[in-house]
Amino acid sequence: EAQVTQNPRYLITVTGKKLTVTCSQNMNHEYMSWYRQDPGLGLRQIYYSMNVEVTDKGDVPEGYKVSRKEKRNFPLILESPSPNQTSLYFCASSPRANEKLFFGSGTQLSVL
Amino acid sequence: GESVGLHLPTLSVQEGDNSIINCAYSNSASDYFIWYKQESGKGPQFIIDIRSNMDKRQGQRVTVLLNKTVKHLSLQIAATQPGDSAVYFCAENKNSGYALNFGKGTSLLVTP
Repeated sequence: EAQVTQNPRYLITVTGKKLTVTCSQNMNHEYMSWYRQDPGLGLRQIYYSMNVEVTDKGDVPEGYKVSRKEKRNFPLILESPSPNQTSLYFCASSPRANEKLFFGSGTQLSVL
Repeated sequence: GESVGLHLPTLSVQEGDNSIINCAYSNSASDYFIWYKQESGKGPQFIIDIRSNMDKRQGQRVTVLLNKTVKHLSLQIAATQPGDSAVYFCAENKNSGYALNFGKGTSLLVTP
């Protein structure tokens, strides 16, 4: 089944403890992206990747890192999480940029 | 229609009626538009898309209308069903073409 898989589904952590949210797609898509979703603010892009080893900042990149060493994986790294990063995170992919995105099921992160 | 703020605009319709969800987009240079549906606890799901060289596109029970003159997009759902209850987002491609800009969403509630 074609899908975008994120893990974990739920995560509770404490301020400053490094964490990684994994994302994998099995559709051979070139483009991948991370969004966060907050009430009243909608979906905002954190980082995106046009292809392997090509990443760039989205609208709200501060406090996040990404890597794209393989085409299928695009992990989101929070080196030192803070409470304002408590949010619902979505990974998404598309065949190329400017095409319809396929979303994962989301990761609900709480930073205490 | 979609708007800024903590509370999503809500559209309440009776089962079997037609629904129309509106979206005003911001970028006159956008040439690609998408409607997504997000059910509670799930990631956004693609419904239908349209490119700027078209005014109308139909899918199964859904129609998207694009009015470039007033920068307006609408989603029409025919014979609305309880399973259509969800939050609906419109999205437009950004200037750079490397990301989608999402609206804040409209909550559709289908009553029996």
